[in-house]
This record gives sequence, structure tokens and C-alpha cells, in this order.
Amino acid sequence: DAGVTQSPTHLIKTRGQQVTLRCSPKSGHDTVSWYQQALGQGPQFIFQYYEEEERQRGNFPDRFSGHQFPNYSSELNVNALLLGDSALYLCASSFRGGTYNEQFFGPGTRLTVL
Amino acid sequence: KNEVEQSPQNLTAQEGEFITINCSYSVGISALHWLQQHPGGGIVSLFMLSSGKKKHGRLIATINIQEKHSSLHITASHPRDSAVYICAVRWSGGGADGLTFGKGTHLIIQP
Repeated sequence: DAGVTQSPTHLIKTRGQQVTLRCSPKSGHDTVSWYQQALGQGPQFIFQYYEEEERQRGNFPDRFSGHQFPNYSSELNVNALLLGDSALYLCASSFRGGTYNEQFFGPGTRLTVL
Repeated sequence: KNEVEQSPQNLTAQEGEFITINCSYSVGISALHWLQQHPGGGIVSLFMLSSGKKKHGRLIATINIQEKHSSLHITASHPRDSAVYICAVRWSGGGADGLTFGKGTHLIIQP
């Protein structure tokens, strides 16, 4: 079992560009959540995908969008990048049928916006 | 506003010491997670609790639902335990599973 995987590991973009980050959930999981972690801070919830739909969203602008594919993998897209979008982006997967839906985290993608 | 507070923010201890990290939250939860994050970013789930106590090796996690408080203990601490320990909760009331995180406790264990 490969666990949760994310790509790429690191990414450098410039202001105004667009970026796509990818996540493959742990085998058997059907739900993917995305988090943003700024340097020195705890992660912040961006949104969650289940059955290819966005189910819940944190306090993030519409520049942040996502997608879930039939194989449960997910993408996070950020448009019109700002310097403040520089952060570690974490993906977590879980199984919706579980009682408390324990989440398993990927290694993250570190995005630097110049 | 639903909040998660951790203490202490930073903790330096000697190898072998007993470590306690605390987490308090503001309203009812359905689950509480303790997570470990090493430099470089990767997060490992240590425990998920909804009541009582769990133990895994030298790690013990407890939760008091009435007091809205949880603790993570490390016995016989070792330099490899040095990491950021993060408390995260799932608020009760149903809905999706987005977690709310504390800011983390930076733990350094010196040999």
C-alpha cells in the first residue's frame, strides 16, 4: 500500500500564474481533503471532495478550485497566484463509510511563489 | 469561533524525560487527532480519539470530553521524538471531515 501520494514535491511559480497539484489517496479511501500550511502555522482546511463533488469548503477564495476523478484521485488548482499562496499544500484521504473517518496525510507539495 | 489551542508552543527537554503536550478546544467534537510533523513537512497520524485513552509504544493520548481537553504524553523521550506535534479536531454536528488544527508544539529532545 503506497499510502497517500502527492506530486510534485516542490514547485516554483511566479505571481499571476496558475498551478495544479495532484493527490492519490490511500488504497480503499474515497474522500480527499486539501489543506494549506503557511510557514510556522498549523494547516488550514481548503476543501474536501467526495463522489467527485466538493462537499465542504474552508475560508479560501474562488481562486482555489479542485476536482476529484472517478479513481478518487484529486487535483487542487490555484489561479492568479499571489506571494501569500506560498505554503505547503497537504492532501489527506479517508474512507467516508468509517465511523470517525480517520485521515491519512500525504507528504505535501511545497509551493513557492516569487 | 471554533478554536483549538495547544500548549506549550515550544518545549525543550532532556533525553529520558516525560513529556506532556496539551490541547484544548472550544466546542463539541466528534474526533480529535494527534499528528506528528517532521522538518520537510510530512504529517503522520499518531492517534485518533473520541473518548478515553490510547497507547502506542511510548506514546499515550488521553481525552476528557467534558473538559474539552486532550493530552499527548511521551515516556522515556528520545532525540528522534523531536518534531512538531499537532492537535486537530473534527467538530461535531455532521458534515464533511475538514479538520481544524492547533498551531503545533515544537518539541526538541536533547541527548
